[in-house]
Amino acid sequence: QVQLVESGGGVVQPGRSLRLSCAASGLNFNNYGMHWVRQAPGKGLEWVAVIWYDGSKKYYADSVKGRFTITRDNSKNTVYLQMNSLRAEDTATYYCARGGHVVVVTSNGGDFDPFAMWGQGTMVTVSS
Amino acid sequence: QSVLTQPPSVSGAPGQTVTISCTGSSSNIGAGYDVHWYQQLPGTAPKLLVDDNNNRPSGVPDRFSGSKSGTSASLAITGLQAEDEAYYYCQSSASSLRVFGSGTKVTVL
Repeated sequence: QVQLVESGGGVVQPGRSLRLSCAASGLNFNNYGMHWVRQAPGKGLEWVAVIWYDGSKKYYADSVKGRFTITRDNSKNTVYLQMNSLRAEDTATYYCARGGHVVVVTSNGGDFDPFAMWGQGTMVTVSS
Repeated sequence: QSVLTQPPSVSGAPGQTVTISCTGSSSNIGAGYDVHWYQQLPGTAPKLLVDDNNNRPSGVPDRFSGSKSGTSASLAITGLQAEDEAYYYCQSSASSLRVFGSGTKVTVL
């Protein structure tokens, strides 16, 4: 069964850190880019970050640049989101989503594929 | 504040057609990047509905169709059904970044 499972969410005080994980199964993980997308309570979707299939490229939304870091461990089929200096406005459900396949990404010069697979999300609440 | 603009809500009676617009700019949709559409039911993760402007993934009913022109895109739902009541989001790219629309609530009257 192909699935993405996020974990690591919880309640954290402003200024503190948290690391989210997303474990993939049922797919050739090291062939796909991976994204994090978040959704604040009652709000729309916001793209957060992407990491290419081999970890060679990473890109971030301006709202998290310099505070969040996306990494991956292809031996564990897992992508991570390290979130530092958390703010109240980072409160959201965080989803991981599968990105582009290596063949498509390298031919297109970028990961522009749709998010065809999503995890169930993990909730992060930043509050004192 | 979302980069792509969608109407907050649209509604229609069962069987009718509703259309959701997605307006971008020359740095995203107008730059030639594809537009994808997602459906989100309450309490669930988004689901890919239309990709690459007008392609339906396997299993998506042909009642859903997408189009793109210039700096805008649209999603049409024909033969509206009760189970179509959900939020819909457009998504595109802006160079190496991704951008979402503000989301549209579809209500079936």
